[in-house]
Amino acid sequence: DAMVIQNPRYQVTQFGKPVTLSCSQTLNHNVMYWYQQKSSQAPKLLFHYYDKDFNNEADTPDNFQSRRPNTSFCFLDIRSPGLGDAAMYLCATTERSGGTGELFFGEGSRLTVL
Amino acid sequence: GDSVTQMEGPVTLSEEAFLTINCTYTATGYPSLFWYVQYPGEGLQLLLKATKADDKGSNKGFEATYRKETTSFHLEKGSVQVSDSAVYFCALRGNTGFQKLVFGTGTRLLVSP
Repeated sequence: DAMVIQNPRYQVTQFGKPVTLSCSQTLNHNVMYWYQQKSSQAPKLLFHYYDKDFNNEADTPDNFQSRRPNTSFCFLDIRSPGLGDAAMYLCATTERSGGTGELFFGEGSRLTVL
Repeated sequence: GDSVTQMEGPVTLSEEAFLTINCTYTATGYPSLFWYVQYPGEGLQLLLKATKADDKGSNKGFEATYRKETTSFHLEKGSVQVSDSAVYFCALRGNTGFQKLVFGTGTRLLVSP
């Protein structure tokens, strides 16, 4: 059974029209991440939550926001998508403790901007 | 900062050939090392991991050994299948405090029948 579920799998939006992507997890993990992956590139971390504490990467554009209303859910909001924001967005989770634990990824949400 | 370097792809092999994908890292302390696989149009799946020096991770016929002396974590498989065609990412995660997963650039593997 899927443990990290992302919706929608495919999202098409128009230039400048806000988009929300969702992620839910059944693992009860404390840490949740959002990564952006452009074609043929490595995933790039946008931000993460450590419980309710939000941590933004220094180079994440202001256009990207996130909400985590409870342990299970996390949302990525793109306020005014540009053509350069077309990418696969990956949600991942991990346990709190240490660095030996792997990240569990969802299947991703592919965003197309017209 | 921490970083991971992978061999560039694509790597093109015939079915049943031997596979090696090189991965080296730079990190302070003793990170955990991972290989993730990404099939077309999908998210990342953990393939294997190793958390300390000399550990060997293995899964689905793939193996990688954590070599601290050479700071390497090369991925190997004795006999690849067409279904192994995917992009493979080497990654590391530090073990002190909160640490993010740092990825290499990925290596595309293409296996032909």
